[in-house]
Amino acid sequence: AQKVTQAQTEISVVEKEDVTLDCVYETRDTTYYLFWYKQPPSGELVFLIRRNSFDEQNEISGRYSWNFQKSTSSFNFTITASQVVDSAVYFCALSRLQGAQKLVFGQGTRLTINP
Amino acid sequence: ETGVTQTPRHLVMGMTNKKSLKCEQHLGHNAMYWYKQSAKKPLELMFVYSLEERVENNSVPSRFSPECPNSSHLFLHLHTLQPEDSALYLCASSQEGLGGPNTDTQYFGPGTRLTVL
Repeated sequence: AQKVTQAQTEISVVEKEDVTLDCVYETRDTTYYLFWYKQPPSGELVFLIRRNSFDEQNEISGRYSWNFQKSTSSFNFTITASQVVDSAVYFCALSRLQGAQKLVFGQGTRLTINP
Repeated sequence: ETGVTQTPRHLVMGMTNKKSLKCEQHLGHNAMYWYKQSAKKPLELMFVYSLEERVENNSVPSRFSPECPNSSHLFLHLHTLQPEDSALYLCASSQEGLGGPNTDTQYFGPGTRLTVL
């Protein structure tokens, strides 16, 4: 069975601080996808990143970076120099490579950036 | 322009009403999904349509009835709902297949906030 755990239910930081959102997953598949989505107050889930289990390279996109460690089954997300607009609920998700239709989501982490 | 649109954005209905939620995707995808997001619960996959055929029905009560008339449109017909069905209903679409940076990634609409009285 597949499972995604986001142990941090809520995080609150002051603007310009760096913040890391944790994601730990369980799967018996040897190949899989990992995702991060952002859900602002408007409700829409915004796709941020997809990683293929083949590729353990970390990725940086502006203030966002992702640390994929297969050895610890973790896919953590760091926001550098956080801004108020980063306030949202962030979801980590997992799917098989084949049968990618079944996305398994974590519970989400509510991130609040205070001015 | 938003790739996946949903209407209405908000809906209040009584338990005896019949209503429908509509989803439209403008991304040329071949798969569409309905999810339910309740307070304090993880996102629950309800239905999956691939090439307009239903391929997944996650033990959803029959008071929810999906319809996919073509690859761009997806409906969720609602009847005799219960108050516990109040939730955010999210639609998503994806392009199925292996390989390529854009395949197998689900893109979501803004959701319909449903309240059942």
